[in-house]
Amino acid sequence: SYELTQPLSVSVALGQTARITCGGNNIGSKTVHWYQQRPGRAPVLVIYKNYNRPSGIPERFSGSNSGNTATLTISSAQAGDEADYHCQVWDISSAWVFGGGTKLTVL
Amino acid sequence: EVHLVESGGGLVQPGGSLGLSCTASGFIFSNYAMSWVRRAPGKGLEWVSAISGSGGDTYYPDSVKGRFSISRDNSQNILYLQMNSLRAEDTAVYYCAKEVYDSGSLFLDYWGQGTLVTVSS
Repeated sequence: SYELTQPLSVSVALGQTARITCGGNNIGSKTVHWYQQRPGRAPVLVIYKNYNRPSGIPERFSGSNSGNTATLTISSAQAGDEADYHCQVWDISSAWVFGGGTKLTVL
Repeated sequence: EVHLVESGGGLVQPGGSLGLSCTASGFIFSNYAMSWVRRAPGKGLEWVSAISGSGGDTYYPDSVKGRFSISRDNSQNILYLQMNSLRAEDTAVYYCAKEVYDSGSLFLDYWGQGTLVTVSS
């Protein structure tokens, strides 16, 4: 079965750029989606189809996907961005696959 | 505005059963496939079941196949998850979510607030 690997935690200084990676075998050939989950809250879709932002998601959130790594980039990180971030892919053979999640801390 | 509201969580003994519901509003429920996703304490998200818009097709990962059953009532806009033979490792917050199919990929654009299921003696 297909697996996605995320770092357990990432720290970023207030106002700086955070990058959260999602690793998988030839993940660049797949379509990656990202969810933000604040403590005690439901997940929220922040990036779909590798780099698209749903309405209401700030332009500070962007995504890329190439080779064996997909990346969620959060520019000008704010205190409100502290959350767990989960990557996800779907394909006909593996169905729904989520990464283990990354806890983002804004210092 | 899309709203998904889960209910039915609680404390159940190992080997017991529990049924969850998810009431949907703000979109044409029967037009969309739906999923249940859970998050166990200290773990990441795990998909546990999906159902087509008509209800005719259902899908499960091996971890719950044969124990969990997903269904829907399109006349009432309600999604269900019946969980049998529950184990301690099924302890989690359970979310219902609305699926989107786009260009050969599936993702979840709206989620409910979740309901906690605790399996313990």
